[in-house]
Amino acid sequence: DQQVKQNSPSLSVQEGRISILNCDYTNSMFDYFLWYKKYPAEGPTFLISISSIKDKNEDGRFTVFLNKSAKHLSLHIVPSQPGDSAVYFCAAKRLNGNQFYFGTGTSLTVIP
Amino acid sequence: GAGVSQSPRYKVAKRGQDVALRCDPISGHVSLFWYQQALGQGPEFLTYFQNEAQLDKSGLPSDRFFAERPEGSVSTLKIQRTQQEDSAVYLCASSLVSSGGNTQYFGPGTRLTVL
Repeated sequence: DQQVKQNSPSLSVQEGRISILNCDYTNSMFDYFLWYKKYPAEGPTFLISISSIKDKNEDGRFTVFLNKSAKHLSLHIVPSQPGDSAVYFCAAKRLNGNQFYFGTGTSLTVIP
Repeated sequence: GAGVSQSPRYKVAKRGQDVALRCDPISGHVSLFWYQQALGQGPEFLTYFQNEAQLDKSGLPSDRFFAERPEGSVSTLKIQRTQQEDSAVYLCASSLVSSGGNTQYFGPGTRLTVL
């Protein structure tokens, strides 16, 4: 039973444009959300996080939006750069829990 | 400082063999996690340690899987009598604190192929 879903397996975006990656979750107990970036043959690297008390968190070119009522979050990358090409994983957990639940990932390709 | 390291990076085992996968977390990190990532999937939680204590092993798929962290630093994931469905990348992650909004730092993973 997949509690975190990324329904788009891949996304292609032109360099300089905005990349929007989406993630949905089913467990209303989740209150902490993260995005990870993964290059081939490497482990996932933490990118940005958001707790359920916020609806937006920004870090440079990366912004995560959280819509709790829709159980949906998104990652915006502006402007997109070729080095952003990677697989992006959404993850969720309960703040006082141990388990992280990951989506299946979205492969982003930024075209120069 | 050094990140999380895992060894071996690649392991090929014949069905029925036992394997041991090692994880060296970042020095001083309290929490250590093991994940299994099948092809085309996201990482799936296996087990969690806080120092040497294994606080959650609910994700271990069978009793053939065993993990330990005897001195609260290096951890080993052992799989006995490997099966083809065990083929996956096994990821280790560590974090500084034990709960809350802690950031996990992942190792590069061990790719296990069971023939």
